[in-house]
This record gives sequence, structure tokens and C-alpha cells, in this order.
Amino acid sequence: GAVVSQHPSWVICKSGTSVKIECRSLDFQATTMFWYRQFPKQSLMLMATSNEGSKATYEQGVEKDKFLINHASLTLSTLTVTSAHPEDSSFYICSACCDTGQPQHFGDGTRLSIL
Amino acid sequence: KNEVEQSPQNLTAQEGEFITINCSYSVGISALHWLQQHPGGGIVSLFMLSSGKKKHGRLIATINIQEKHSSLHITASHPRDSAVYICAVSKTSYDKVIFGPGTSLSVIP
Repeated sequence: GAVVSQHPSWVICKSGTSVKIECRSLDFQATTMFWYRQFPKQSLMLMATSNEGSKATYEQGVEKDKFLINHASLTLSTLTVTSAHPEDSSFYICSACCDTGQPQHFGDGTRLSIL
Repeated sequence: KNEVEQSPQNLTAQEGEFITINCSYSVGISALHWLQQHPGGGIVSLFMLSSGKKKHGRLIATINIQEKHSSLHITASHPRDSAVYICAVSKTSYDKVIFGPGTSLSVIP
């Protein structure tokens, strides 16, 4: 079946570092990719929607200059957390979509810890 | 009030028991998803449905559009079914997904 690969799965880095997370659709073209964030004991929340070749649409309260999203091809979207701080520590997960009527396919997620 | 709610929040069952997790939503949708999240965080899409009932192995998902309610059933539960089960809705299959709070299931041998 369709697979979405997300990398890295775990990142620990110092405050002020920029971190890039990749989301790849391995066997289908993903015209739309979604980026979600999950804080401990909370629901997954949508951060932004990215469509190939256009600027991402960010949800209210998500800083677009801090969370840079690039969706330059039909198989790859990247999320860069710029100048990360401890409050950015969270679980980030992408999903890729899709043919009409088919479910979104989720990556395995990235656990980000900022020290 | 959350747009997607689930019950119970936590569930402990003995191996072999029949399990039901409920989901109710308050928005108009065309697709409802049931997802499974394991302790490591990875998410697996179990079902996407817009009407009726779907079955996959020991898992059964039903939806009642008029009542805005869905259920996920697990027959002959097994410890490997232990995970968080998340109900989520979207306006279309390719629209953003609104997640419920999840139901944490623990199946004891």
C-alpha cells in the first residue's frame, strides 16, 4: 500500500538550532500534504496545509516565519523549525493526500526535543 | 465544546473481550477516519468511511450520518491491540482532518 516516509523520527538539539523534517510519499503523488503537531496528552492539531508548487496555508496561531514549509515536488514536503526553543518540543507528523476517495496516509512522526 | 468527541477516554480490557469505542462529531463531514497511534507515535489509518459499515479483520467501523456518530469495534481483543485509537473527521477525503482526543486502550493478557 501507499507509504509516507517521515525523517528523522527523533531529534534532540540545543535551543536556537533550526531543524528540518522531511515528509516523502513513496509510491504516489501527493498534491497536498498536511503538517500536524501533538503536545503531550493533547490531540493532534493541524499546523499548515501545503500544496505542491504554492505557498503553505497556516492555521491561526502558527507562525509562518518560524515553521517554514516547502512543497517543491509531488513527493516531498519539508517543515523547518527555525531557531527552535524548548516550547517547540513536540511530536510533529505529516500526512499526504491523495486520490479522491482514498484515505490520507500518515508518516511515522518526528519527536522533537529542544534542550 | 470539541468538534469531535470520543468515549471512553481510557479503556482496559481482558484479552478476548469485545471492545467498542464511540465517536461523536458536531460538524458536517463527508469522511470519518479511525486511526491507531502506537506508543512510539506512529499513526496507522484503519478506516475511512462516509456511510454504513466497514470490516477489516477483527476491526469493524460503523457510522450513522444522521446521528453524527461512529463506533469502532474490536472483536477477540489481543494485547497487540493496545494503542490509542483516534477518531477524526474531514469535509472531504482530501481535506484537513479534525482529530478527536483519542481513546487509550490497554488489553491485558
